[in-house]
Amino acid sequence: SQQGEEDPQALSIQEGENATMNCSYKTSINNLQWYRQNSGRGLVHLILIRSNEREKHSGRLRVTLDTSKKSSSLLITASRAADTASYFCATDSNTPLVFGKGTRLSVIA
Amino acid sequence: EAGVVQSPRYKIIEKKQPVAFWCNPISGHNTLYWYRQNLGQGPELLIRYENEEAVDDSQLPKDRFSAERLKGVDSTLKIQPAELGDSAVYLCASSLDLGRNTEAFFGQGTRLTVV
Repeated sequence: SQQGEEDPQALSIQEGENATMNCSYKTSINNLQWYRQNSGRGLVHLILIRSNEREKHSGRLRVTLDTSKKSSSLLITASRAADTASYFCATDSNTPLVFGKGTRLSVIA
Repeated sequence: EAGVVQSPRYKIIEKKQPVAFWCNPISGHNTLYWYRQNLGQGPELLIRYENEEAVDDSQLPKDRFSAERLKGVDSTLKIQPAELGDSAVYLCASSLDLGRNTEAFFGQGTRLTVV
């Protein structure tokens, strides 16, 4: 079963714009991670945010976590064509690394 | 350092045939995961190992799927017999501990097509 649910399912933006993806989950978590998957490839870890953290940055990535709303957001600033991929959130609760269905991001040059 | 290695990359078999996938995790990683990913969906956990012990296999269809992780290193996932609905990408991942507060590293996956 999948705990996280990403929103939107698909997102198309112009290069240089910001992209925001959201993840909602159902049970309390230890941490939440975001992964990227390019077409036909494995998943690559982007960032991990612990349950006691509210915001985290890594390069052009900004992740927020609101445990009261059981939600997280991933912001990619100044997007590039190379950011085109599927993005998944993964929650760690009783079972580690439970993935959502993902958001498919298309960045148009 | 080599990443998670999976083989084969692609496999086409006829239904009712057996198939096996192999995974070599990153050296020293004690946690190993097998996931199945259908087209347009997120990965779904099949089984998780802590060293050689399967600690979470609740999503593994045990009537036809089996897995092993000998000596707590390499792992194989087997399907016998395969069904059309088993067509998917099978992903292996490893991490240094339980995965809590550490990232997992994924292999490239094995794309299985059952015809």
